[in-house]
Amino acid sequence: EDKVVQSPLSLVVHEGDTVTLNCSYEVTNFRSLLWYKQEKKAPTFLFMLTSSGIEKKSGRLSSILDKKELFSILNITATQTGDSAIYLCAVLGSNDYKLSFGAGTTVTVRA
Amino acid sequence: SAVISQKPSRDICQRGTSLTIQCQVDSQVTMMFWYRQQPGQSLTLIATANQGSEATYESGFVIDKFPISRPNLTFSTLTVSNMSPEDSSIYLCSVGGTSTDTQYFGPGTRLTVL
Repeated sequence: EDKVVQSPLSLVVHEGDTVTLNCSYEVTNFRSLLWYKQEKKAPTFLFMLTSSGIEKKSGRLSSILDKKELFSILNITATQTGDSAIYLCAVLGSNDYKLSFGAGTTVTVRA
Repeated sequence: SAVISQKPSRDICQRGTSLTIQCQVDSQVTMMFWYRQQPGQSLTLIATANQGSEATYESGFVIDKFPISRPNLTFSTLTVSNMSPEDSSIYLCSVGGTSTDTQYFGPGTRLTVL
């Protein structure tokens, strides 16, 4: 059974801080790893990673994958209160298209 | 990315009743999925909605409790049957394609069962 573990489960930072979120996984026939941001109901897509060592970047957010050590990190620099959300990591394994999600990391950014 | 809508956005229902949730996509998509997110929990896949055939359910989910329809490549419904308070959750549909692993989620339906 595919397994996705996120850490920490929650953290509180102040505006301007940098946060690093971790995601480790055990999947059969890894295909890709995805990061989502969930503020209310719907997760919004952030990144999809398939290759090791290639950083994906979008504004203050960046992510990288290590397929040898089976983990990914999501960095948020110069945090803002609008970054407060649950960040979800999910992986695709085997030959299907079903996502297995981690428990999520709740990030709270205080002004 | 595809534009996905879900109806209703939220509902409060009495135990023993059923609710049907609709998911509409603005373009044809190969893959459609239904997820449940119970309070304080992460997302759990209920089933893959297959166009023109029966849905494929994950362990712990059965067709009698969560019947799913997918009459075409842009629309699907999920029914939560004979509801109990334990069914109170956010229900989400997602779409993806065989040419990409990226999945996009609908806005979700927040269901409360009293």
